[in-house]
Amino acid sequence: KNEVEQSPQNLTAQEGEFITINCSYSVGISALHWLQQHPGGGIVSLFMLSSGKKKHGRLIATINIQEKHSSLHITASHPRDSAVYICAAKYFGNEKLTFGTGTRLTIIP
Amino acid sequence: DTGVSQNPRHKITKRGQNVTFRCDPISEHNRLYWYRQTLGQGPEFLTYFQNEAQLEKSRLLSDRFSAERPKGSFSTLEIQRTEQGDSAMYLCASSLGQGSTEQFFGPGTRLTVL
Repeated sequence: KNEVEQSPQNLTAQEGEFITINCSYSVGISALHWLQQHPGGGIVSLFMLSSGKKKHGRLIATINIQEKHSSLHITASHPRDSAVYICAAKYFGNEKLTFGTGTRLTIIP
Repeated sequence: DTGVSQNPRHKITKRGQNVTFRCDPISEHNRLYWYRQTLGQGPEFLTYFQNEAQLEKSRLLSDRFSAERPKGSFSTLEIQRTEQGDSAMYLCASSLGQGSTEQFFGPGTRLTVL
């Protein structure tokens, strides 16, 4: 069964802290997505990766294919980073995305 | 605005009523996806279209649910005889297809069934 698991479910940190959110998945993905969802529901795609590392501003996403694991890092966190972060996997032979349950991040000023 | 749009953004209905949601994808995108998200959970796949063809349907999509994309552009999702368990956020996404897997999401339609 294709599954995606995230940890932690909830994360509260002080402004400026370095944040790490983890995602593990079953073997056989073609791509791994990191998404951000703000209150109100809209989802924004942050990264799509199948190997290595990608960086955009203060956000960094890494993936280790052998370990079946991906991480999303936020450097110098800010209250505006508060949101739900969701990882989603696209498995070979499937067009749909399989989502994790999300990590609710709260950054306190 | 060239993003994915969904209407309405919110819908409150009474149990047993029918509701219809619309999704307008990014104009050149061939693939269109519907997902459902209940409170505290990640989205779950419902169905997807390649142009006007509905290529996959989840077992979550009971016979009360129907989706169409008649001209390969916008799509509608209809729920007949709504139940309280249908209360959720309904998300639409589109992708270019042809080897591009990145999906772009709309703002969602939040359905509340009383």
